[in-house]
Formats: sequence, structure tokens, C-alpha cells
Amino acid sequence: SQQGEEDPQALSIQEGENATMNCSYKTSINNLQWYRQNSGRGLVHLILIRSNEREKHSGRLRVTLDTSKKSSSLLITASRAADTASYFCATDGYTGANSKLTFGKGITLSVRP
Amino acid sequence: DGGITQSPKYLFRKEGQNVTLSCEQNLNHDAMYWYRQDPGQGLRLIYYSQIVNDFQKGDIAEGYSVSREKKESFPLTVTSAQKNPTAFYLCASSIDRWGGRNEQFFGPGTRLTVL
Repeated sequence: SQQGEEDPQALSIQEGENATMNCSYKTSINNLQWYRQNSGRGLVHLILIRSNEREKHSGRLRVTLDTSKKSSSLLITASRAADTASYFCATDGYTGANSKLTFGKGITLSVRP
Repeated sequence: DGGITQSPKYLFRKEGQNVTLSCEQNLNHDAMYWYRQDPGQGLRLIYYSQIVNDFQKGDIAEGYSVSREKKESFPLTVTSAQKNPTAFYLCASSIDRWGGRNEQFFGPGTRLTVL
């Protein structure tokens, strides 16, 4: 079963614009993570936000978490063509000894030069 | 160079044959994972191992088997019982057994095609 649902499924923007991607989930979490995947490659971790945090920054990335709405957003500012990739949110629904991540289906971001 | 390696990058198999995908890490991580990725489906967990000589089924374990005899190695066998094995397979690791609490590091993936 997939916990995270990303929105939109696909996003196309012009270089220099900001990209905002959203993730909603259904059950309580310990943390939420965002990953990037370039076509045909493995995933790369971008940022982890814990359930007691509301906002985190990493370079041009800004992640927010609203546990009351069970949602998160990833903002990429001043996008570049190299940001073209698929982006996944993943949630840690801790259930005791077998803590594991559950991934959403991903958002395809295209940044036009 | 520290990281996770998967081999081969592309693999072709005839129906009815078992095939083993390799995953090796030199990060000294306790936990390792196997995911399957199909177009439009995201990642689905096949098996995971939190410690050497122990592993658990994920969401889609049927038709797959694993072993974890060494900390750095977690091979995945796709058996002939797996009805639709054509997919992109990703191996990952995390520093400790609480795999969801920390980031996961991914290998480059193996694309398996059944002919």
C-alpha cells in the first residue's frame, strides 16, 4: 500500500521559475523524506523533515510539513534544467521494530531551458 | 569510494529461469532493502534486512527470495514463480536497523527484462 500521494503528477516550468510539489499521506508519521530520481538512475535523498518540525531548508530546497493536514510541500526555487527529474515523497510510519519507508508514485518535473 | 553497487545494469532472462541480482555496499550500513519500480507505480518494497542473517518480507515478496550472509551483501533472486518480473530493481541501505528514521542510499538499479 502506498502512503504518500504526490500532486501534481507532472509539472512543466521555465528555467528560473519556482516549482512546488505536494505530498499528502493518511496515517501518523515519524518523518517524511523527499527523494529525486534522474531517468533510469537510483534515487537520491534530498531532505528529511521530522514530525515535530514545520519547515526545513537545504540550498534551493524548502520543505514544509503540516501534520494536522497530513501534507508536505517541496519548493525548488530558481529552477534549472538540471532539476528535471522525478521527485518522490516517502513516509516513515513507525510500527515498532520494522520501521520502513513507504514511497509515493512520484512527480515528473520538466524544466525548460 | 563509498556507496552501493548493483550488477548487472541490464539483465535479460528467458521465462522459467531464475536470476540473481547483486547488491553490495561498503557504507557499513546495518539495513538493506530491495524495491521494485514499474512505470507510474513508484517504489514497492520486496524484502528488507535489518541485520545480518535476518530478513523480512515487504509488500510484494511473492516470487522473490533473498539472503543476508554478509553485512555488505544482499542478493535478490527472481524466481520463475514471479509472474511479471520485468521491472527496474533498486537496492538501498540505511545506517541502522530503523530504516525509516534515516535517509536511504540507493544503488544505480538493475533493469530486468524477461523475454
